[in-house]
Amino acid sequence: NAGVTQTPKFQVLKTGQSMTLQCAQDMNHNSMYWYRQDPGMGLRLIYYSASEGTTDKGEVPNGYNVSRLNKREFSLRLESAAPSQTSVYFCASSGGLTGVFEKLFFGSGTQLSVL
Amino acid sequence: EDQVTQSPEALRLQEGESSSLNCSYTVSGLRGLFWYRQDPGKGPEFLFTLYSAGEEKEKERLKATLTKKESFLHITAPKPEDSATYLCAVQAASGTYKYIFGTGTRLKVLA
Repeated sequence: NAGVTQTPKFQVLKTGQSMTLQCAQDMNHNSMYWYRQDPGMGLRLIYYSASEGTTDKGEVPNGYNVSRLNKREFSLRLESAAPSQTSVYFCASSGGLTGVFEKLFFGSGTQLSVL
Repeated sequence: EDQVTQSPEALRLQEGESSSLNCSYTVSGLRGLFWYRQDPGKGPEFLFTLYSAGEEKEKERLKATLTKKESFLHITAPKPEDSATYLCAVQAASGTYKYIFGTGTRLKVLA
């Protein structure tokens, strides 16, 4: 009964370093999302994948790349981390039949600090 | 521009003291409005979906209502375990996968 699993839970990077945040869901959902959450701001969409094999930019995609590895897994990569990317990152999934609005299931988050 | 505003930013209640949280929205056609609960260090957890004005949903001490411009989350006789941040999100008809989140209301219920 895992739901959405994110790793790592915490990460500290130096400016310019790269890293990949991993996300997996076991609910057979079609759609997956990456959000960032910053104090005083709502959750903002970085990238999403409507279905296996597709990815699209969200509201704040600059500095990030994603890979939908298979139906279960959706990773987020920071190629050259910047202090502005210090944030809490959430992966989410939904049943996501095309055009159908569904509730989101969230992972527990990754707290990332870029020094 | 599609927008969601939640108020108040923070709310402290005594146990048993009922109150309401507000979510005001402007979107180009509402597909649905969602309420989530977020505990510290955790991801948001789904509470309710509302689709049309006049709709109401209830779960234990929580009741969500929807009008054409806003939604309220009513908390009746809250308990300390209701302490959390409550997030509101909407989806506009123009954005299939775009959920617009408010900044949340931090609720603290004192015993």
